[in-house]
Amino acid sequence: EVQLVESGGGLVKPGGSLRLSCAASGFTFSSYSMNWVRQAPGKGLEWVSSISSSSSYIYYADSVKGRFTISRDNAKNSLYLQMNSLRAEDTAVYYCAREDPRGFHFDYWGQGTLVTVSS
Amino acid sequence: QSALTQPASVSGSPGQSITISCTGTSSDVGGYNYVSWYQQHPGKAPKLMIYDVSNRPSGVSNRFSGSKSGNTASLTISGLQAEDEADYYCSSYTSSSTLVFGTGTKVTVL
Repeated sequence: EVQLVESGGGLVKPGGSLRLSCAASGFTFSSYSMNWVRQAPGKGLEWVSSISSSSSYIYYADSVKGRFTISRDNAKNSLYLQMNSLRAEDTAVYYCAREDPRGFHFDYWGQGTLVTVSS
Repeated sequence: QSALTQPASVSGSPGQSITISCTGTSSDVGGYNYVSWYQQHPGKAPKLMIYDVSNRPSGVSNRFSGSKSGNTASLTISGLQAEDEADYYCSSYTSSSTLVFGTGTKVTVL
């Protein structure tokens, strides 16, 4: 069974940093591109970042470019999101999502981890 | 990258059909057949319902169907059921090699 479990969320002050993790199991992690998607409270989904299976290709939404860094450790079946210079508008539930190799869509999602940026 | 435009809400009675639109540009929806649709119930993670404009993943009811014309994609739910009440989001690949979601549509079953 495919499982994606996010962790690392919490309360952080504006300007602070946080590192999210996503532990994957039930599939060959090293064969899939992975993504982070976020959802602010009561708002819609926002794509954040993607990383290819071998980390060769990395993309970011303009809203996080230069502040967030996506990475992965295929030996540990883990995906990460390093978030720096956090702002109030980064407050959201952050989901990790597996990208289906057939196209640009997400076939499995984690349960999400809440990041709150507030003083 | 601006969010794709969806109606804020759509409603229908049980058994009826409803259609949700998703409007983008030639740089996203109109330029690629990589439109997908997700269903999200309150407090839950999104679930893939349609991919590549009109393909259904295994296990998704055939009451859900997708299509595209120009810069607008559509999701149709036929034979509306109470369990279909949820938020629905479209998504598209873009010319910047990124992804963009729609603004979201709340479906209410009357």
